[in-house]
Amino acid sequence: QQPVQSPQAVILREGEDAVINCSSSKALYSVHWYRQKHGEAPVFLMILLKGGEQKGHDKISASFNEKKQQSSLYLTASQLSYSGTYFCGTERVGSQGNLIFGKGTKLSVKP
Amino acid sequence: DGGITQSPKYLFRKEGQNVTLSCEQNLNHDAMYWYRQDPGQGLRLIYYSQIVNDFQKGDIAEGYSVSREKKESFPLTVTSAQKNPTAFYLCASSIDGGPGGDTQYFGPGTRLTVL
Repeated sequence: QQPVQSPQAVILREGEDAVINCSSSKALYSVHWYRQKHGEAPVFLMILLKGGEQKGHDKISASFNEKKQQSSLYLTASQLSYSGTYFCGTERVGSQGNLIFGKGTKLSVKP
Repeated sequence: DGGITQSPKYLFRKEGQNVTLSCEQNLNHDAMYWYRQDPGQGLRLIYYSQIVNDFQKGDIAEGYSVSREKKESFPLTVTSAQKNPTAFYLCASSIDGGPGGDTQYFGPGTRLTVL
């Protein structure tokens, strides 16, 4: 029931783009994206809601395919500060609102 | 400044001892959560509470206990029954914890090491 994230890890040069995917086998109401630096708290980036409403970060975009229960996070023109582990948290339809998190995607941006 | 505080940042305990992790928020949020994070893993839900004096078990509640006597506080006790308690523990809160995209905000975490 845990969503599957891909890739597990990615290394970029500054200025390059990346896509991180999150896939669930269950019908979803929302997908939440977080970034975590080592030893720190996850920081909220973006929420994608069923029906297409999108909120969040203006330098990072995301999509939510309701038919496939998949979400993708798009990082364009990456900066060193983008380094960290990205987690998706999924809210299943019919649940009480709790999130189930994927195992994360480790992103490293090199100069 | 509104936010979530957790204390202590690092905690060491001997096997067989109970230990309580503190979580306080001044965001006026109704819902609070405890997660456990192990290396290479995602966040796994231990307990959550949507209202004072009420809480529910998450996916890995065995060996843990909580209380919610005040809206702003949600302490977690790691008991001696928890077989592998060494982990990074994260507390979070959200406006009401209901369905429909309620965003969770996290505290800085407590790293617990059992010696």
